[in-house]
Order: sequence, then C-alpha cells, then structure tokens
Amino acid sequence: EAGVTQSPTHLIKTRGQQATLRCSPISGHTSVYWYQQALGLGLQFLLWYDEGEERNRGNFPPRFSGRQFPNYSSELNVNALELEDSALYLCASSWSDEQFFGPGTRLTVL
Amino acid sequence: GENVEQHPSTLSVQEGDSAVIKCTYSDSASNYFPWYKQELGKGPQLIIDIRSNVGEKKDQRIAVTLNKTAKHFSLHITETQPEDSAVYFCAASISYGQNFVFGPGTRLSVLP
Repeated sequence: EAGVTQSPTHLIKTRGQQATLRCSPISGHTSVYWYQQALGLGLQFLLWYDEGEERNRGNFPPRFSGRQFPNYSSELNVNALELEDSALYLCASSWSDEQFFGPGTRLTVL
Repeated sequence: GENVEQHPSTLSVQEGDSAVIKCTYSDSASNYFPWYKQELGKGPQLIIDIRSNVGEKKDQRIAVTLNKTAKHFSLHITETQPEDSAVYFCAASISYGQNFVFGPGTRLSVLP
C-alpha cells in the first residue's frame, strides 16, 4: 500500500512569492494534517482538513492556507513568502488516532 | 493549550545499551501518545503509541510507559543498534482528529 506522498520534494522561492505544496494521503484516509518543521526545531501544527473542510488551524498567519479536494488530497498555499518560512513542510494522513507522515517538501525562501 | 516537554535533547549510548527518553504533558485530557522516529531527510515514522487506558506497551526492543497521574510517558529502547540513531519525537493529543502537540525531539546516537 502506498504511503503519504508529497510534491515537490524541494521548492525554492524568493521573498514575496507564493508557494503551493501538495499532499496525497494513504488510500482510505480522510484527514490530512500539515506541519511545519523549521531547521533544528520540532513540528508545529499548521492545518487540519477532514472531509473537505478545514477543522482546525495552528498559530500561523492567514497567509498560510490550504484546501482538501474530493479525493482527499490536499494543497498548502503560502502567500507573501518570508525568509522565516524556510522549513520542511510535512503532511500526515489519518483515519483514526494514528497519523502517518509523508517525506515532506523542503521550502527554501531566498 | 497542551504543552509537551521532552528530555534529554541529545543522548549518546553504546551499541547494545538501553536508551530512555522521557516526555511530560500538561493537559490531563490528552489520551493518545505516539512516538516517532525521524531519520535524516525523511518524514517522521510512527514506531509505537499508547493510549491512556494502558500503562505499558511493548513491541520487540521498543516499549512505552505511561503515568497518567504524573502526566509523563517514556520510550525505552533496549539492545540499541546503530540504525536506531535518529531524532525521536513524542506527541500528545486529546482525541481522534485533533492535531498532535509534539515535543522538541531527542537526537539519539548509538555508538558502535
């Protein structure tokens, strides 16, 4: 069974641009979570989507947004990129307590 | 909100020795506690978890214990091997669907 997939693997943007990151959950999972992992730091919760709806968001500004599609895949959008947005963005999927992570997208903002 | 602390931040052990990582949480409503292993360049991998109605769980060389009264839980790795070297994260959540609150991580190095 395929795990959680994320694309692209790496993304390089400049300040002020927009970034779009994509996530495909494990088949049968309806929830998708996004986390930010800045270099040397832990995982910070960004957004949670379930059944196409945003259910919860972490302590991040509104320029971090996303959506979940009918096939449960998800997209994270980061507008007006800032240097401190450089991080590994991890997506996890779930249908119960357990969350399974993808390999992440490394976003670098220059 | 929930806050999870994790100690130590770094841990070095000799191959074959045991390693113990401890986490404390603040919200008594938390009832699910997973542990993740993250290798360099990869996403976190779930290695073991425990729910609040269980005091201990074991899976081969890995075990987790939970003390609800003291609000702490620990990861125990026995007979460590070099491939156990990674960053380990603990987490806590209140219920299904709620986001995890992660500890800051422990970098484990197993020396051959």
